[in-house]
Amino acid sequence: QKEVEQNSGPLSVPEGAIASLNCTYSDRGSQSFFWYRQYSGKSPELIMSIYSNGDKEDGRFTAQLNKASQYVSLLIRDSQPSDSATYLCAGLSGGSYIPTFGRGTSLIVHP
Amino acid sequence: NAGVTQTPKFRILKIGQSMTLQCTQDMNHNYMYWYRQDPGMGLKLIYYSVGAGITDKGEVPNGYNVSRSTTEDFPLRLELAAPSQTSVYFCASSGGSAEAFFGQGTRLTVV
Repeated sequence: QKEVEQNSGPLSVPEGAIASLNCTYSDRGSQSFFWYRQYSGKSPELIMSIYSNGDKEDGRFTAQLNKASQYVSLLIRDSQPSDSATYLCAGLSGGSYIPTFGRGTSLIVHP
Repeated sequence: NAGVTQTPKFRILKIGQSMTLQCTQDMNHNYMYWYRQDPGMGLKLIYYSVGAGITDKGEVPNGYNVSRSTTEDFPLRLELAAPSQTSVYFCASSGGSAEAFFGQGTRLTVV
């Protein structure tokens, strides 16, 4: 069974710090990975996608993928209180069209 | 560009009642999904569709039904509502190999 595991948190970081969110997955066939941000009472929205090993940067966000170790991470630099949300990791196997979601990690950025 | 639109946003049902949650997307996506999200939990897949006329069960289909008569619409039917169906329901669509786009969600309470 395909699983995506995340620590539920909460992860609490001070404003301006780097927040590091991690995700592991069980399906070695997973090819694509996504990070979604979900504010309380709202729907998930995509913030990063990564398809190959290494780092992918977009503004304050960096996604990291290590297929050999089967983990994906999201780094948020210069964290802001507005980054406080739940972050969902999702994986998609090659040839599949059904993403597998983790339970999400709650991030709290305190002033 | 409206994306994925769900109605209603909120609904209270009595035990045993039925209702349909509406979902429509304007991105010409073949893949559509229905998820439920319980407090502190991740997204659980109820049903999905890979195109008009084709639907299949996800991990928690009991008590629900779907249809896909057009590419745009993917309604979710609840028959004989039960308190265990109290949840937030999200409809999503995808181009297949890429990220999923979510509707704004329907908060359903069964009393």
